[in-house]
Amino acid sequence: AQRVTQPEKLLSVFKGAPVELKCNYSYSGSPELFWYVQYSRQRLQLLLRHISRESIKGFTADLNKGETSFHLKKPFAQEEDSAMYYCALYNNAGNMLTFGGGTRLMVKP
Amino acid sequence: ETGVTQSPTHLIKTRGQQVTLRCSSQSGHNTVSWYQQALGQGPQFIFQYYREEENGRGNFPPRFSGLQFPNYSSELNVNALELDDSALYLCASSLVRGETEAFFGQGTRLTVV
Repeated sequence: AQRVTQPEKLLSVFKGAPVELKCNYSYSGSPELFWYVQYSRQRLQLLLRHISRESIKGFTADLNKGETSFHLKKPFAQEEDSAMYYCALYNNAGNMLTFGGGTRLMVKP
Repeated sequence: ETGVTQSPTHLIKTRGQQVTLRCSSQSGHNTVSWYQQALGQGPQFIFQYYREEENGRGNFPPRFSGLQFPNYSSELNVNALELDDSALYLCASSLVRGETEAFFGQGTRLTVV
């Protein structure tokens, strides 16, 4: 069975500091991974997906199959980055997204 | 473009009752998924509907059931409510089956007392 683990419930950094939100997964097939974000009072929305290899709002994430990780990184955090971040794995056999427990990022001024 | 909308936004039910939650998918999307999000946890997949048929199901008992209508709107029904069913229920639509990007609604907060 697939599983997504986000070891940190809360990550607090100062503005301008680097950020790394950790995500580890277990999945027997070829993984398709995502980061979703939920800003205060807003709905859950896609931030980025590993297939596109884009940088969105300064965030990047690299899939490391050897370490089964998909950590989200940003070199310089901004206050507007404060939000809940969820790592998710797509299982195409079950047509389902499996989410991690989420990490709350707080960027202090 | 119309986003995913859910109704109602909040609901309080008594243990043993039945509840129906509703979702209108984003314009042009024919696939709808439902998730349960307990407090402090990530969303957990309940099931997905494509062209009015169940197209995948998570680890939820049969008292969780759903429908999708020809206009691609959807309902989630929960029978014999239990206290542990208290959660935020999220609906997500996708452009087509197999499309992995999901667009989420704002959720329905269900409280079972």
